[in-house]
Amino acid sequence: DAGVTQSPTHLIKTRGQQVTLRCSPKSGHDTVSWYQQALGQGPQFIFQYYEEEERQRGNFPDRFSGHQFPNYSSELNVNALLLGDSALYLCASTRTLSSTDTQYFGPGTRLTVL
Amino acid sequence: DQQVKQNSPSLSVQEGRISILNCDYTNSMFDYFLWYKKYPAEGPTFLISISSIKDKNEDGRFTVFLNKSAKHLSLHIVPSQPGDSAVYFCAAHRRDAGNMLTFGGGTRLMVKP
Repeated sequence: DAGVTQSPTHLIKTRGQQVTLRCSPKSGHDTVSWYQQALGQGPQFIFQYYEEEERQRGNFPDRFSGHQFPNYSSELNVNALLLGDSALYLCASTRTLSSTDTQYFGPGTRLTVL
Repeated sequence: DQQVKQNSPSLSVQEGRISILNCDYTNSMFDYFLWYKKYPAEGPTFLISISSIKDKNEDGRFTVFLNKSAKHLSLHIVPSQPGDSAVYFCAAHRRDAGNMLTFGGGTRLMVKP
């Protein structure tokens, strides 16, 4: 039973560029959330996708956008990269939108912006 | 505005002893609390949770205590094992926020053999 997978593992970009990160949810899960974890901090919620629509959004600018595909996989796009966007980006999936459903996390994508 | 805080960035404990990790929160709308464990190069792994209607939940060596009046929760690990060495995150869920989680900054636990 495959868990949550993310690609790529690491990524290096320069300021102003755009980046796309990918996530495949755990088998049987249809809801995907994205979190940003800066160095030395806890994960911060970016947004959540269910039925190919953004359902909830955290306090992140419009430069952060996403997409969910019919197979429930998801992408996180960040435009006009800033140095402060350097972080570990985590994807989490759940079976449903149920508020107390356990979220399973992927290993993350480490983004470095130079 | 940090709504969930873990004030101890690190904790060192001898193998076999009790580890106590603490977490404070400010938002009274939080109704469900979770602890996640994170090893390097891996994503956070769910450990244990507690509903706001309870004050204790136990699962093997792990027990979570919730003190609503103090807005404080703690995770007890007894006995601690070297394999428990990891970063532990406290997370909270708000009843009006779907299943979005608000995380604390984490506590690095080191269990010495």
